[in-house]
Amino acid sequence: QQQVKQSPQSLIVQKGGISIINCAYENTAFDYFPWYQQFPGKGPALLIAIRPDVSEKKEGRFTISFNKSAKQFSLHIMDSQPGDSATYFCAASEETSGSRLTFGEGTQLTVNP
Amino acid sequence: GAVVSQHPSWVICKSGTSVKIECRSLDFQATTMFWYRQFPKQSLMLMATSNEGSKATYEQGVEKDKFLINHASLTLSTLTVTSAHPEDSSFYICSVAGYGYTFGSGTRLTVV
Repeated sequence: QQQVKQSPQSLIVQKGGISIINCAYENTAFDYFPWYQQFPGKGPALLIAIRPDVSEKKEGRFTISFNKSAKQFSLHIMDSQPGDSATYFCAASEETSGSRLTFGEGTQLTVNP
Repeated sequence: GAVVSQHPSWVICKSGTSVKIECRSLDFQATTMFWYRQFPKQSLMLMATSNEGSKATYEQGVEKDKFLINHASLTLSTLTVTSAHPEDSSFYICSVAGYGYTFGSGTRLTVV
């Protein structure tokens, strides 16, 4: 019930390409779905987040697509750049109750120049 | 989100000694903070939930006597690794709940 499954484990994309990372959850009480970017030796930084009342949210080159019925959400990185090379984590929580985040397993993204 | 400061960013200690890690919420009164542990190339593993003025709630398998958490004010939570051993070497990260979840920059602990 509390799991968040993330795929792929690793992803290699050419500069300018689209990076797509997928996540699936089980707990229908989750109401907050953030994506975090983490560089080696640093804490995770919030990239973009979505709530279940919308199906898509875009911020610059980053877009979250959310499918409530399928209990899936994905991150799309348009025009991927070498500087986007990092580990990406999806997560979910029942934020309104102040509960903890449940993280996906992470995706190591490499953008080749 | 909140601004979170975590110190130290790295620490090396001898086996058997204790190490304290601080997590400060600089611009937000944090009733709840979280402590995570992360091994190389793995996801974040929640260790405990820290609530201001009360005892921390530890996740299953986390030794509460080894990982002491104190959340005495709305701006500061500390994690003390007691009697550290090499297997405690890891990356420790705190998080503040409020306007989403904001993470500290992490502490690399190496026990020699």
